[in-house]
Amino acid sequence: SQTIHQWPATLVQPVGSPLSLECTVEGTSNPNLYWYRQAAGRGLQLLFYSVGIGQISSEVPQNLSASRPQDRQFILSSKKLLLSDSGFYLCAWSKSSGNTIYFGEGSWLTVV
Amino acid sequence: AQSVTQLDSQVPVFEEAPVELRCNYSSSVSVYLFWYVQYPNQGLQLLLKYLSGSTLVKGINGFEAEFNKSQTSFHLRKPSVHISDTAEYFCAVTSNYGQNFVFGPGTRLSVLP
Repeated sequence: SQTIHQWPATLVQPVGSPLSLECTVEGTSNPNLYWYRQAAGRGLQLLFYSVGIGQISSEVPQNLSASRPQDRQFILSSKKLLLSDSGFYLCAWSKSSGNTIYFGEGSWLTVV
Repeated sequence: AQSVTQLDSQVPVFEEAPVELRCNYSSSVSVYLFWYVQYPNQGLQLLLKYLSGSTLVKGINGFEAEFNKSQTSFHLRKPSVHISDTAEYFCAVTSNYGQNFVFGPGTRLSVLP
């Protein structure tokens, strides 16, 4: 069966510091991968999605970037965090020919 | 482009009472529909999905949903809720394989003792 893991689960970072959130999927190959952000009390905002290694689509221009160095690895990064980057970040995956999306456990980021 | 509306941002209900969480969507093409549940500080868990076939879909934890194409709705129901059903519920739609998933704003279900 397929599993998805993301880490760290919680992170407190000062303004201006870098960020790296990692996500890996096991049990499948060539998945579509996604990063969502969920601000406190709000819905899901799609940040990035990827259909293959090195292929990243950005949905919202912002202070963040994403990379996919390996087939089942998806990384969310920032060079300098802003207070507004605080939130709950969710990694997700779907099969390349699939119709259902599955989520990781989420990562809480607090920028102070 | 698709969109999803969840008119109720919060739904309080007493334990063992029935509940319906409303979801309406907009799309110019055929859709697949989903309900996800999010417990505090956790990721989203798939409750149920409609892909094709019977319009009444049964999911985990006793939930079910009915796809109504004419009303473009996919309401979630449970005949008797438990305290443990307290969570945020998200309706979602997609029409493409594995790329464009659109989520509603969520409905917070609070089950009261």
